[in-house]
Amino acid sequence: QVQLQESGPGLVKPSETLSLTCTVSGGSISGYYWSWIRQPPGKGLEWIGYIYYSGSTNYNPSLRSRVTMSVDMSENQFSLKLTSVTAADTAVYYCAREPRYWGQGTLVTVSS
Amino acid sequence: DIQMTQSPSSLSASVGDRVTITCRASESINNYLKWYHQKPGKAPELLIYSASSLEDGVPSRFSGSGSGTDFTLTISSLQPEDFATYYCQQSFSFPYTFGQGTKLDIK
Repeated sequence: QVQLQESGPGLVKPSETLSLTCTVSGGSISGYYWSWIRQPPGKGLEWIGYIYYSGSTNYNPSLRSRVTMSVDMSENQFSLKLTSVTAADTAVYYCAREPRYWGQGTLVTVSS
Repeated sequence: DIQMTQSPSSLSASVGDRVTITCRASESINNYLKWYHQKPGKAPELLIYSASSLEDGVPSRFSGSGSGTDFTLTISSLQPEDFATYYCQQSFSFPYTFGQGTKLDIK
């Protein structure tokens, strides 16, 4: 059974970079697309983008200028970086192998 | 971006009720439509993919229909564990987009 687990700081200062890692267990990163989705507290879901295991990416245009995703096949992990964060980036961040496998989500708060 | 509009935004119902949630796309998405439900503090869980295909392990009281721009999710007989928020998502074009959600609670 594929399982995903997000990790990273729960608190990030405004203007700094949010960095999260998703560790995949029970299956290989190879051969699949890996996504990031976020959900501000009490609000709906926003698709951030995905990365293919080979490294090709597709980002939401609304975030494209600030987002970078990467894959580390040796660690069976993939990562998200979001630069120049503001309070509007406060959200639960989910990693996923859409549509069936999702991490539990991690809350990232942007605050000084 | 393709806009996904769900209705209603909230719904109160009783155990045993039949419930229908609709999702409308701002342009045709063929059948590239998924339904999820989400319980508080949990990740979304897939119920329906390709508009009408039931995900493995999902009870048969859930069904989906539609194509093009108009889609429905039906729960034939509500069970206590079905009270949650429901989201549709299109994967026809990038960026993938979700509906705003339908919160289903107990009457």
